[in-house]
Amino acid sequence: NAGVTQTPKFQVLKTGQSMTLQCAQDMNHNSMYWYRQDPGMGLRLIYYSASEGTTDKGEVPNGYNVSRLNKREFSLRLESAAPSQTSVYFCATLFSRGTNQPQHFGDGTRLSIL
Amino acid sequence: AQSVTQLDSQVPVFEEAPVELRCNYSSSVSVYLFWYVQYPNQGLQLLLKYLSGSTLVKGINGFEAEFNKSQTSFHLRKPSVHISDTAEYFCAVSPFTGGGNKLTFGTGTQLKVEL
Repeated sequence: NAGVTQTPKFQVLKTGQSMTLQCAQDMNHNSMYWYRQDPGMGLRLIYYSASEGTTDKGEVPNGYNVSRLNKREFSLRLESAAPSQTSVYFCATLFSRGTNQPQHFGDGTRLSIL
Repeated sequence: AQSVTQLDSQVPVFEEAPVELRCNYSSSVSVYLFWYVQYPNQGLQLLLKYLSGSTLVKGINGFEAEFNKSQTSFHLRKPSVHISDTAEYFCAVSPFTGGGNKLTFGTGTQLKVEL
C-alpha cells in the first residue's frame, strides 16, 4: 500500500524495552489512526489524530503514547513493552472528518514481546 | 457507542459455490457500513460501503452486500467464489457524525475457498 507506510514491518522486543512505531502517509490526509489486531478480536482503536496537532484516545490506549509530528507522520510509542502488547499494529488514514470516505490502511507492523 | 457482530469466525466453501458472510451491528446513532478484506500479511482493503440510498451495494471482485435496517444487518455475498477470495473479511461501522470517523470492527470471518 504505497499511500501509508509503516516501519518497521517486524520487531521483537524484550519485556520492559521501549520502541516507536512509525507511520507516514503521502495522500495529504488529515486524520490518522492506530489500531491493534489480535486473533479473534478484530481491530481495536488505540489512538487517533483527527488533524495535525490533535490526538485522542481510542478503545485501548493504556500502555501507549502517540505523536502527530506533522500532517504526514503519526507515531505510536510503547514506553515499557509488555507481552500483552504482542500484536499486529495498523496505521490508517482518512481524508477529512465529516466525510463518508473509507480509511486507508498500511501493511502493518508485527510486534512480538518476549 | 457501536458494536459489530460477525457470528462466523470461519467459513469453508468450495470454489464456484456461493457464499454469504454475516454481519449484524448495534448503534444508537445512524452509521455508515463497510466491508474490508485482508489478505495474508497485508493491510485492510475496502470491498464496499453503504452510505445511503439503495440498500444493495456492489463492490470490487464481484462482492455485494445488502443493508437491512430493521434487522440491523449488512451481510456480504458473492454468487461464485474463487480460490483468490481466500482471506479474512471484516465488517465495520462508523457514526454519521462526531466520533472522529472512528471505525468499530467486527471480529472477522476467515473465508477459505477449497478446490
